[in-house]
Amino acid sequence: SQTIHQWPATLVQPVGSPLSLECTVEGTSNPNLYWYRQAAGRGLQLLFYSVGIGQISSEVPQNLSASRPQDRQFILSSKKLLLSDSGFYLCAWSEDSRGELFFGEGSRLTVL
Amino acid sequence: SQQGEEDPQALSIQEGENATMNCSYKTSINNLQWYRQNSGRGLVHLILIRSNEREKHSGRLRVTLDTSKKSSSLLITASRAADTASYFCASYSGAGSYQLTFGKGTKLSVIP
Repeated sequence: SQTIHQWPATLVQPVGSPLSLECTVEGTSNPNLYWYRQAAGRGLQLLFYSVGIGQISSEVPQNLSASRPQDRQFILSSKKLLLSDSGFYLCAWSEDSRGELFFGEGSRLTVL
Repeated sequence: SQQGEEDPQALSIQEGENATMNCSYKTSINNLQWYRQNSGRGLVHLILIRSNEREKHSGRLRVTLDTSKKSSSLLITASRAADTASYFCASYSGAGSYQLTFGKGTKLSVIP
């Protein structure tokens, strides 16, 4: 069966520090991968998606970036965090472009 | 932009009652999906209804879709305290889009 792992679960970082959130999927190959952000009491905002290694599409301009160094690994990064980067980050995968998404447990980032 | 908007934003019911949540969307869809999120956790896919379907059942869940009104509803019958969670509708916005867009969700509280 397929599983998705996302870490770290919680993170407290000072403004201006770097960020790296990791997500790996097991039990499937060539998944579509997604990074979403959820602000408190809000819906989900798609940040990045990837349909293959090295293929990253960004949905919103920001100081975040994403990379897919391996087929089942998706990394969300920032060189310098802003206060507004605080939120709940969710990684997800899907088998195809119209199917259901399978989410990780999320990473809660607090920027102070 | 939000593709789906849930209504109501919050719903509080007694255990055993039925809970109905509504979702409206803006553009034509291939399918509409409902997800559940327990507090502080990732989202879990509940049910997917295709644009050519009008009603779908899964256990205590019943989903309807009215493409003429661009709306969907999720009915949870005989609710339990464990159903307490936020519920989101989501759909892919437009042909060729990889972006599964979520509404802001309905927060359901089931009182024992």
